[in-house]
Formats: sequence, C-alpha cells, structure tokens
Amino acid sequence: DIQLTQSPSFLSASVGDRVTITCRASQGISSYLAWYQQKPGKAPKLLIYAASTLQSGVPSRFSGSGSGTEFTLTISSLQPEDFATYYCQQLNSYPITFGQGTRLEIK
Amino acid sequence: EVQLVESGGGLVQPGGSLRLSCAASGFTFSSYWMHWVRQAPGKGLVWVSRINSDGSSTSYADSVKGRFTISRDNAKNTLYLQMNSLRAEDTAVYYCARESLPENAFDIWGQGTMVTVSS
Repeated sequence: DIQLTQSPSFLSASVGDRVTITCRASQGISSYLAWYQQKPGKAPKLLIYAASTLQSGVPSRFSGSGSGTEFTLTISSLQPEDFATYYCQQLNSYPITFGQGTRLEIK
Repeated sequence: EVQLVESGGGLVQPGGSLRLSCAASGFTFSSYWMHWVRQAPGKGLVWVSRINSDGSSTSYADSVKGRFTISRDNAKNTLYLQMNSLRAEDTAVYYCARESLPENAFDIWGQGTMVTVSS
C-alpha cells in the first residue's frame, strides 16, 4: 500500500498568513494526488486534483504543486473560513489512501 | 442540484449486519465510479470500497474484504454497502463519494451516516 505522510500534523497560524502543508508518498504516484478540506461535522470538500488543478469554485488563494513523491498545498493568505483539517489522497493505485491530516488552527 | 444522501446507519451489535444506501440525484449516476469512505470518531479518512459505473468491478480495503459488499442499482440511482460480521473497529461515519473522471478525485460527497458497533 502507498503511505502518505503529511507535515505538519498541526499548524497554528493567523489570518493573512501564508501556509504550506507537505504530503510525501512512500512511492511515486505521478500526479494522482488530491487535497481536501474538512470542517468539523462536515463532509470533506475537494480543493485540488491532479496535484495542481484547482477545483471549480475554490478560491485562488489555494494552490497545489508537486509530482512523484512530494507534494504541497499552499494557502497564500489565510482567511477565517480556512481553519479546518486538510487531507491529501493518492489515486495512483488501490487501495486508495489518505494522509493522516493536518489540523490548521487560529493562532 | 448534484447531491448524494446516505441512510441506513445506526447502532448494531458486534457480529451483526447493516446495509447503507446512498441516493444520488442531479447527475447521470450510471456514468460514474462510486466509493465509500469512513471516518472513525476523531480520526482521519479511510477508503473502504469502490465500484465501477456498471457494477461489474469492485475493490475493497483489506480491513473489510470478505465482510462488506458494495453494489449499485443504476435504475434507482442508488449505491449500497452491505456490512456483515461487524466489529467495534467498524464504528465510523460512512461517506459515499463520486469519483470524477478523468480528474481522478472525489468531487461530490454525501453528508455521512453514523454506524456504531457496540453491545
């Protein structure tokens, strides 16, 4: 199985900050990586697919990059509604796996 | 409106069975691969199972293989997850999700249904 390791697991930041979350795969997954945002009690929401393509309707302050084994999700200027948990997901091979999550909290 | 609505969750004893349903609307259900993903309380997302568009091919996580069965009825626009031999560790919110192709991502999720396995 392909393991995804996100770092950091917890991040404290302020409104307006630029933050970056990293996702490392245990083996190459080309660009078959997606990023999701989840708020408490809600279903995950797709932000980025194919490593760097912004899902329709997602604000442009979100961006993704990477290929192979290392990927990043960047939020250029944090807004109050961005405080949530973020997950990466690989769809290169079965079983599909998710990272353990990065919890982003207000400083 | 494109949406997925799960139902069928509840409290069940260890060793028991439950069938989850996921009703799709607002899109051509029969064109999409569908998945189940679960999330134990306070934990992360875990992929459970997948079915292709016509139901002829399925995949499962090792943790549920042989106990869970995914199926679909394209005439009823409904996805199912039959869960047998349930264990305490199956306790979770279960989400159904649509896989968008060729984007290869889960672009639509249901609201989730809670399954609690306890005596």
